[in-house]
Amino acid sequence: EAQVTQNPRYLITVTGKKLTVTCSQNMNHEYMSWYRQDPGLGLRQIYYSMNVEVTDKGDVPEGYKVSRKEKRNFPLILESPSPNQTSLYFCASSLAGGYNEQFFGPGTRLTVL
Amino acid sequence: AQTVTQSQPEMSVQEAETVTLSCTYDTSESNYYLFWYKQPPSRQMILVIRQEAYKQQNATENRFSVNFQKAAKSFSLKISDSQLGDTAMYFCAFMNPRAQKLVFGQGTRLTINP
Repeated sequence: EAQVTQNPRYLITVTGKKLTVTCSQNMNHEYMSWYRQDPGLGLRQIYYSMNVEVTDKGDVPEGYKVSRKEKRNFPLILESPSPNQTSLYFCASSLAGGYNEQFFGPGTRLTVL
Repeated sequence: AQTVTQSQPEMSVQEAETVTLSCTYDTSESNYYLFWYKQPPSRQMILVIRQEAYKQQNATENRFSVNFQKAAKSFSLKISDSQLGDTAMYFCAFMNPRAQKLVFGQGTRLTINP
């Protein structure tokens, strides 16, 4: 089944404790992206990647890191999480080109205490 | 920078009615793509419909259609014969193909009442 998977689905952590949210897709998509969803703000792009070893900042990259060492994986790293990073996070992937549908993962609910 | 605005935070209609969700955007680009995504209570993001800016014909997908007004920078979504399963948050989104960044609006929470 074609899908984007994220782990964990739920995470409660404390300020400053490094964490990684994994994202994997099995559709051989070139493009992958991370978004955060907050009430009243919609989804905002954190980082995106056009292909292996090619990443770029989205609109809200502060406090996050990403890497794209393999085509299928695009982990999101929070090296020192803070309470303002409490949010719902989505990973998405698509074929290259802006018109292609982005397929979203199920979301990761992160709470930073 | 591109911005997308959805001015209706919440809407509610009766089953079988027609409802229109509004979306406006701001860009200086001439070529771009527009999308409507649906997010039901399961939180899963689902593509509803998409439109290429250089195509004048409005996109349709079964009960879903758009009214794309390029000069006015407006991209509304019309849902005909609404069903209970249409209850969801709906997001309008803009993609600049040169920047490869998808920009979302704030969302409209739509409730279909029986």
